[in-house]
Amino acid sequence: DAKTTQPTSMDCAEGRAANLPCNHSTISGNEYVYWYRQIHSQGPQYIIHGLKNNETNEMASLIITEDRKSSTLILPHATLRDTAVYYCIVRGSGTYKYIFGTGTRLKVLA
Amino acid sequence: EAGVAQSPRYKIIEKRQSVAFWCNPISGHATLYWYQQILGQGPKLLIQFQNNGVVDDSQLPKDRFSAERLKGVDSTLKIQPAKLEDSAVYLCASSLGQYYSTDTQYFGPGTRLTVL
Repeated sequence: DAKTTQPTSMDCAEGRAANLPCNHSTISGNEYVYWYRQIHSQGPQYIIHGLKNNETNEMASLIITEDRKSSTLILPHATLRDTAVYYCIVRGSGTYKYIFGTGTRLKVLA
Repeated sequence: EAGVAQSPRYKIIEKRQSVAFWCNPISGHATLYWYQQILGQGPKLLIQFQNNGVVDDSQLPKDRFSAERLKGVDSTLKIQPAKLEDSAVYLCASSLGQYYSTDTQYFGPGTRLTVL
C-alpha cells in the first residue's frame, strides 16, 4: 500500500486559500487519493478524492500532478471552522484499506 | 440521510474491566470498519467486515478484543480485559462496499475510552 507524506502543521490567514501538499511517490496507477479532515473531538470527515484529473466540489479542490506522485488540497477561502487535521490517504488497490498517517494540522488565523 | 451512529460517546473504566461499543452504519452500506485512534495519531484499522464476514482483522489484538456484525448491519466491539494502553477513541466507519473502485468511508463521531 502506498504511503503518504504530509507536513506536520501549517498556518493560513482567514479568507486566504489554504494549500495542503501531500507526497505519494509510490502510488500505483489505479489507486485513488482521498482527503479527509478531522475537527477536534469528531470523526474524520470526507472532503474529496481523485485518480488523475483535478477535482472540485463544494468544499475543496484537488490538484494531482501529472506523474501522480503528489497532490495538493486547496481550500479556496479558509475560515476559522477549517481549523482541523487534514489527512491525505492513498486507498490500496489490493487491500482497499485506508492507511492514515499523522496528517497536517491546519490552523486558520483570524 | 442519517450518518454512522455510535454509542456511548464517552466511557471511563478501570483496567481489567470489560467494555463494549456499538455502531450502526449508514443504511445499505455493506462494509463496516472499526478504527482505534490514540491521541496525536491517525486512525488505525482494527477490523473490517463485508456484510457479516470478517475481511481483515490483522491488527486486532485478539487476546482481548473481539467484534461481531450479526445480520450484517449493526456491530459491537468488545475489550476484555482492558489495559491502560487501550485508552483511545474508537471510530466506526461504513462504506457501500470495498470492491467499488472509489469506495468512500463515512465515519461516526467515535467513542472516547479512558482506562484508569
